[in-house]
This record gives sequence, C-alpha cells and structure tokens, in this order.
Amino acid sequence: KAGVTQTPRYLIKTRGQQVTLSCSPISGHRSVSWYQQTPGQGLQFLFEYFSETQRNKGNFPGRFSGRQFSNSRSEMNVSTLELGDSALYLCASFGGRSDTQYFGPGTRLTVL
Amino acid sequence: GENVEQHPSTLSVQEGDSAVIKCTYSDSASNYFPWYKQELGKGPQLIIDIRSNVGEKKDQRIAVTLNKTAKHFSLHITETQPEDSAVYFCPSWGKDSNYQLIWGAGTKLIIKP
Repeated sequence: KAGVTQTPRYLIKTRGQQVTLSCSPISGHRSVSWYQQTPGQGLQFLFEYFSETQRNKGNFPGRFSGRQFSNSRSEMNVSTLELGDSALYLCASFGGRSDTQYFGPGTRLTVL
Repeated sequence: GENVEQHPSTLSVQEGDSAVIKCTYSDSASNYFPWYKQELGKGPQLIIDIRSNVGEKKDQRIAVTLNKTAKHFSLHITETQPEDSAVYFCPSWGKDSNYQLIWGAGTKLIIKP
C-alpha cells in the first residue's frame, strides 16, 4: 500500500505570494490532518478534514485554509505569505479501524 | 485542555547504552498511546504504540510501558545505534481532542559514537 504523498517537497516563495500544497492520503483513509512544524518545535495543528468536511481547526489566522476532495486528497493554501510561514508542512492520514496517523514526508516552504 | 510533556528535551547517550524517554499527559480519555520518530527532513514515523489494557509492549530493541493511573508512558531503547538519533514524540488524543492529536515538543536523542 502506498504511503502518504505530498507535493511539492520543496517550495520557495516571496512575501505576499500565496501557495498551495497537496496531500494524497493512504488509499482508503478518509481523514487528513495538516500540521506546521518550525525548527525545534513540535507539530502545530492546522486543521483536519474527513469526507470533504473540516472537523477541527487549530489557532492559525484565516490566511491558512484547506479543502478535501471526494477522493480524499487534500490541499492547503496560505495566502499573503509572511516570513514566519517558513516551515515544514506535514500531512497525515488515518482511517479504517486504526487510531494511527501516518505522515507524509512534508513540504518544506521557505518564504523570502 | 490536554497537555503533553516530554522529558528530557534532549538526551545524549553512548552508542550501545539504553535510552529512556518519559511522556506525561494531563487529561486523556484515549486508550491509544503512540510513539513517533522523526529524522531530519522527514515526516514522523510510528515506531511503536500501546493500548491502555496493556502495561508493556516490546518490539526488538524498543519497548513502551504505560502507567495510566499516573498518566505517563515511557519509551525504552536498548543497545542504541547511530540510526536511533532523531526526535521522538508521544502525541495523545485528548479528552476534548475533537479529532486532533496533541503533540509535545519532542525529545532529541543523540547517540554518541
């Protein structure tokens, strides 16, 4: 079974631009969560989607948004990028009878 | 709300020695306690997990013990090797988690050759 995939793996943007990151969960998983991780920090929860519905959202500004498609693939968007948005963005999926979240390799976003 | 604390924040051990990382949670109704390992530049990977009806679980050099009364669980790595160097996390499904895993700051394990 293929794991969680994220694209792109690396991204460089400038302040004020917007960016879209993509996540494909493990086949059969309907829940997708997004996290932001900055150097030396734990994972900060952004939001979680299940069957195209956002079930929970973390404490991030409205510039951070997401969506999920009918095939469970998910995207997150950050508008008006700021320098502080530079981070590793991680996507995780879980589903079926498992309590385990499986992570993708992440997208490294650098804002200049 | 739920809070997860890990100790120590950094642990340096000699190759071949054992390492123990402790995780304390404040208020969890969860019966599932995973440990993740994150290597530099990669996403966290599940290495072992335990359910509350089990006090200890072992997988080769890795073991996890759970004390649900005291609200803490520990990761034990024996015969440490250089590839064990990573950051380890112990997230928890809080009582009011609402589909959100609560993550601590992690423990950086350094294996000295």
